[in-house]
Amino acid sequence: DQQVKQNSPSLSVQEGRISILNCDYTNSMFDYFLWYKKYPAEGPTFLISISSIKDKNEDGRFTVFLNKSAKHLSLHIVPSQPGDSAVYFCAASLHDYKLSFGAGTTVTVRA
Amino acid sequence: GAVVSQHPSWVICKSGTSVKIECRSLDFQATTMFWYRQFPKQSLMLMATSNEGSKATYEQGVEKDKFLINHASLTLSTLTVTSAHPEDSSFYICSAVKNSNQPQHFGDGTRLSIL
Repeated sequence: DQQVKQNSPSLSVQEGRISILNCDYTNSMFDYFLWYKKYPAEGPTFLISISSIKDKNEDGRFTVFLNKSAKHLSLHIVPSQPGDSAVYFCAASLHDYKLSFGAGTTVTVRA
Repeated sequence: GAVVSQHPSWVICKSGTSVKIECRSLDFQATTMFWYRQFPKQSLMLMATSNEGSKATYEQGVEKDKFLINHASLTLSTLTVTSAHPEDSSFYICSAVKNSNQPQHFGDGTRLSIL
């Protein structure tokens, strides 16, 4: 069963605008959430994470928001740049390190 | 940032061959390494968790005799696909983590094609 879901398979956004990626999870025991970016034929690259004790974490252009009551997290990228075009995976873990991944959202930033 | 090296990046071989994939953490000691498999347009599926000096823990449905994992040191884990068949063709990715509540860092993956 898919414990982490990314319901939007793709997102197209104009350069300079905000990209918002969404992720839902079903296991309320998850305590650590991450976003990864992946280019074709490469491994995922870590972007940003958030612990379940927080509701927001910001790093440069990337901000992750966590809503525990809704079991929902989102990644905001602002401003979007052409190099941000990639597949973005949401992941969640329990305290045992193992990650459960969403199916990914393909982001295309238009010039 | 942390660097994880995976080798080889691409393997093409005949059915029945055994293939070994290496995963190295280059600038940190990894307490735990993970092996994933990714099918086209799908998410990463965890195959097994590997701790240095102990037996790997396999996810449900993953054949441990088919996918042999050795974690000989804090910087090296290997995955051997034994007697590979065309259905084993996939993209295999490893990751390494130093401590809990720290991100996993991934290698660039190995594209395995069995003819």
